[in-house]
Amino acid sequence: DGGITQSPKYLFRKEGQNVTLSCEQNLNHDAMYWYRQDPGQGLRLIYYSQIVNDFQKGDIAEGYSVSREKKESFPLTVTSAQKNPTAFYLCASSLAGGSSYEQYFGPGTRLTVT
Amino acid sequence: AQRVTQPEKLLSVFKGAPVELKCNYSYSGSPELFWYVQYSRQRLQLLLRHISRESIKGFTADLNKGETSFHLKKPFAQEEDSAMYYCALNPGTGAQKLVFGQGTRLTINP
Repeated sequence: DGGITQSPKYLFRKEGQNVTLSCEQNLNHDAMYWYRQDPGQGLRLIYYSQIVNDFQKGDIAEGYSVSREKKESFPLTVTSAQKNPTAFYLCASSLAGGSSYEQYFGPGTRLTVT
Repeated sequence: AQRVTQPEKLLSVFKGAPVELKCNYSYSGSPELFWYVQYSRQRLQLLLRHISRESIKGFTADLNKGETSFHLKKPFAQEEDSAMYYCALNPGTGAQKLVFGQGTRLTINP
């Protein structure tokens, strides 16, 4: 089951700690995305990147940070500034340059902060 | 601001009956609309997009700009259609900034 991998599947952290979620893809896609999924709210875009070394904030970027040093990798850091970090996080990738391209999703990481 | 509304959180129909999942959007321009589906224990995946005007697994969706809707329809539901369905909008600015609806869980009863 290649394509996009996210690790770990479950992650537990104490409040006040930063935590980094991994996302890797072998689809040769230029664009990558991070979404947050909460019950009853669908998916909300946190950050996206259309090319290496460049990324933009999505709708709910506060308390999160990302990097895009390699085409294959787009890690997301949930910082202690994120007020409600417990959620299901989904990473996706797509071809870039077109608004109708399909996004391919990873299996997700469930983060629990106590 | 762009917004996608799926008014039904849960929808249950019998096998062989028609099914319609509603999706309404608010956007002043010409959006790209999609339906994504997540089957049990599988990843979220694209079902269809309005620009393709295609039928996938018997599902179709027509973009109605006058009613700002993109309802998903299938004339005869099958048990394997049970899944979580998300309607999504891309404002079409060149970047893929999808705005998702809340999702509808469809259950097909035998």
